[in-house]
This record gives sequence, C-alpha cells and structure tokens, in this order.
Amino acid sequence: EPEVTQTPSHQVTQMGQEVILRCVPISNHLYFYWYRQILGQKVEFLVSFYNNEISEKSEIFDDQFSVERPDGSNFTLKIRSTKLEDSAMYFCASGLARYNEQFFGPGTRLTVL
Amino acid sequence: DQQVKQNSPSLSVQEGRISILNCDYTNSMFDYFLWYKKYPAEGPTFLISISSIKDKNEDGRFTVFLNKSAKHLSLHIVPSQPGDSAVYFCAASARVEGGSEKLVFGKGMKLTVNP
Repeated sequence: EPEVTQTPSHQVTQMGQEVILRCVPISNHLYFYWYRQILGQKVEFLVSFYNNEISEKSEIFDDQFSVERPDGSNFTLKIRSTKLEDSAMYFCASGLARYNEQFFGPGTRLTVL
Repeated sequence: DQQVKQNSPSLSVQEGRISILNCDYTNSMFDYFLWYKKYPAEGPTFLISISSIKDKNEDGRFTVFLNKSAKHLSLHIVPSQPGDSAVYFCAASARVEGGSEKLVFGKGMKLTVNP
C-alpha cells in the first residue's frame, strides 16, 4: 500500500540554524500539507500546497517557514532560523483531491537546543 | 481554540466489547469529519470519514455517527481488539465552496483494549 515517507525521523539542531524536513508524498496525490504537534498539544495545521503554490497557511507559518516541491516527488519544509519553540513533531500529509482524506507520514521529530 | 473537543482523555474496554469514542465541535461551518488512529512513533492513520450530508458511515468494525444538531460525532468499534489500542483523533474541516481543506484536530483519546 502506498504511503507517505519522511526524513529524517529525528533532527537535532541549534537555535538559529536552518533545517529542511523532507517528505515524499503518495505518488498520484496532488495536495500536500504540513502539520505539527508540540509535545502534549494538538496536531496543528501549518500549510497546504497545490500546483506549486501555497493554497492556505496558518498564523504559525510565518516568514521563517517555507515549502517547496523541488522535483516530482519531494515536498520540503524549511525553517530558516529555528527557535526553541519550533521543537515539535512535524507531519507531512498528502491527498488525492482537495477535500479528500489526508494521509500522513510517520513524522520528523525536531529538537531545537 | 477548542473547535474540536475530545473531552475524555482515555478509555479502557475489554476485548470483544464495543468502544465508543466521542467528539464535539463548535464550528458550524465544519462539514467533513474524520477519525485517525495513531500508534506511538507513527503518524496518524486515516480510519473513516463522514460528510455532513450523512448521519452514519460504516466500514467493517468501524462506524461513525454524526449528530449535526448536537454538533457531536462518535466512533464505534465493535468488536474491539487489542490491536485497536492507540490514540484516536477526531478531525474536522470546512469544505464548503471557498472553504478550507485544513484539518482541525481534537486532543486525542487513548483507547486501551484489554485481552
């Protein structure tokens, strides 16, 4: 069964450093998403991406964040200058159509020291 | 922001019995609801969904009921199996024309099914 994959599974970085989280969505999906879950809190929407552009973003997704689909398979989330409060589990998801169910990857645990 | 609420943090049931997981929502624009299951160190796994034009959707052992007037939905698992032990998330989105595809999640409920 096709699945969303994410790398790395765990990323440790120093405050102020740039990180790139990578995702390979399900191959025939067209809609891509990033969510995050801070420890003990809810899963929160960050951004949705379709046709090579952002379709929706939350207040969390400020200028420090960017997304890109550099080729036909990868979907990346970049945090330019990480803060302590960016420490969280980051989930990538993809969907076949705009309002269909979203399928999640296993997540990348980001730890900012 | 408590648009989607799962008020019980945990539930414990015996194998073979029914598990009922509840979810309430406050945003009347929500018209699509989903349940996800999550094991430790894994991402949420889609289980079942329901559109607001329906009041019930069934898939094998899983049935979701929607009561729009009460802004309440529930997930029934019957019979429950030990492998169902996981954290269950309720999620909602407002898909109306021009609406949002983002999922709004509840806090989750930990289900334990005892052998």
